[in-house]
Amino acid sequence: NAGVTQTPKFQVLKTGQSMTLQCAQDMNHEYMSWYRQDPGMGLRLIHYSVGAGITDQGEVPNGYNVSRSTTEDFPLRLLSAAPSQTSVYFCASGSWGRQAFFGQGTRLTVV
Amino acid sequence: EDKVVQSPLSLVVHEGDTVTLNCSYEVTNFRSLLWYKQEKKAPTFLFMLTSSGIEKKSGRLSSILDKKELFSILNITATQTGDSAVYLCAVEGIQGAQKLVFGQGTRLTINP
Repeated sequence: NAGVTQTPKFQVLKTGQSMTLQCAQDMNHEYMSWYRQDPGMGLRLIHYSVGAGITDQGEVPNGYNVSRSTTEDFPLRLLSAAPSQTSVYFCASGSWGRQAFFGQGTRLTVV
Repeated sequence: EDKVVQSPLSLVVHEGDTVTLNCSYEVTNFRSLLWYKQEKKAPTFLFMLTSSGIEKKSGRLSSILDKKELFSILNITATQTGDSAVYLCAVEGIQGAQKLVFGQGTRLTINP
């Protein structure tokens, strides 16, 4: 049972490049979400989903897109990377009344 | 706007000491408060609290919630070097969907 799997673990992008951070879970959770973690600021919610086909914005959505075509996958897209998006990104999944499970994170550097 | 504040931000103690970490919150229509431990990578779950005054325990760790005063504490007794980590507090509103609002975290360092 893999839990929440994120790829890649590390990525360096140039300003203006695009990329997709992958997230997959094998626990049949209805909820999935993306957070970013910056030094001294805890985790902040970017986007979340309550089920396949349903997504919504979190606290810091600008510059990011998401979609959820299946229960298992919830990719995060950066359309035009900026240095301000340098961060550690965590994907999480869970179900009603239970805790959120987190992936191992993706460390993204935009130069 | 929902808000979570943790204190202290950093704490250094000796092995064997007891520590208390604090978490205060303001959230619209509170549903739950969660504690996570973060070492180098993913946050790992410790406790979920939904009711006031009921202590949750796991080994040397325990936590309690006060919904009237809007805070929670996490206690660790007989600390060990393996307890060194960042401890995160998060709250979830009644809308659920696990839209968690996190505090800044408390960095705990246990010296041998």
